[in-house]
Amino acid sequence: GQSLEQPSEVTAVEGAIVQINCTYQTSGFYGLSWYQQHDGGAPTFLSYNALDGLEETGRFSSFLSRSDSYGYLLLQELQMKDSASYFCAVRDGGTGFQKLVFGTGTRLLVSP
Amino acid sequence: DVKVTQSSRYLVKRTGEKVFLECVQDMDHENMFWYRQDPGLGLRLIYFSYDVKMKEKGDIPEGYSVSREKKERFSLILESASTNQTSMYLCASRSSGDIDTQYFGPGTRLTVL
Repeated sequence: GQSLEQPSEVTAVEGAIVQINCTYQTSGFYGLSWYQQHDGGAPTFLSYNALDGLEETGRFSSFLSRSDSYGYLLLQELQMKDSASYFCAVRDGGTGFQKLVFGTGTRLLVSP
Repeated sequence: DVKVTQSSRYLVKRTGEKVFLECVQDMDHENMFWYRQDPGLGLRLIYFSYDVKMKEKGDIPEGYSVSREKKERFSLILESASTNQTSMYLCASRSSGDIDTQYFGPGTRLTVL
């Protein structure tokens, strides 16, 4: 089976940089995804890493190290609107149909 | 833009009632999913469908059933609602060609009294 670990909560101030870590255990690995969910809202896709290294999309970057079974989401120039929950996800890597397995989420609180 | 809609944002039902939650997507996606989300437990998969009329159990299917008669619509049914089914229910869809990108609906917050 698959399991993912994330911190339950992270706090930071506006303008700062924050890193949200995710470690995973999988029986077959394809890549690591990140989703954002604001309170009362739907999760929305942020990024996907299949290969080692850093992928940058504006203020958000995502990193993957396959040898360490580890990834992180990096948020720069934090804004109040970045306060949300962030979930990492991996495929359930069996043969046939592949589902996503989500971590329990990290709640990010950005203060002024 | 992909749009996934759910029939209700808030729903209050009584124990023992039969409850229908509807989900519609407009992007011709093959795969659809139902999750429930509870504090501290993340997203747990109830059922999924990889194509019309095809359905598979997820991790927590007990007390639920589903129906997918048309490609765009995936229904979750609580045969006899119980208080422990009070939760946020999220529907999602994705293209079979892009497994890692799921599109979620806004959710239905169901309260069973």
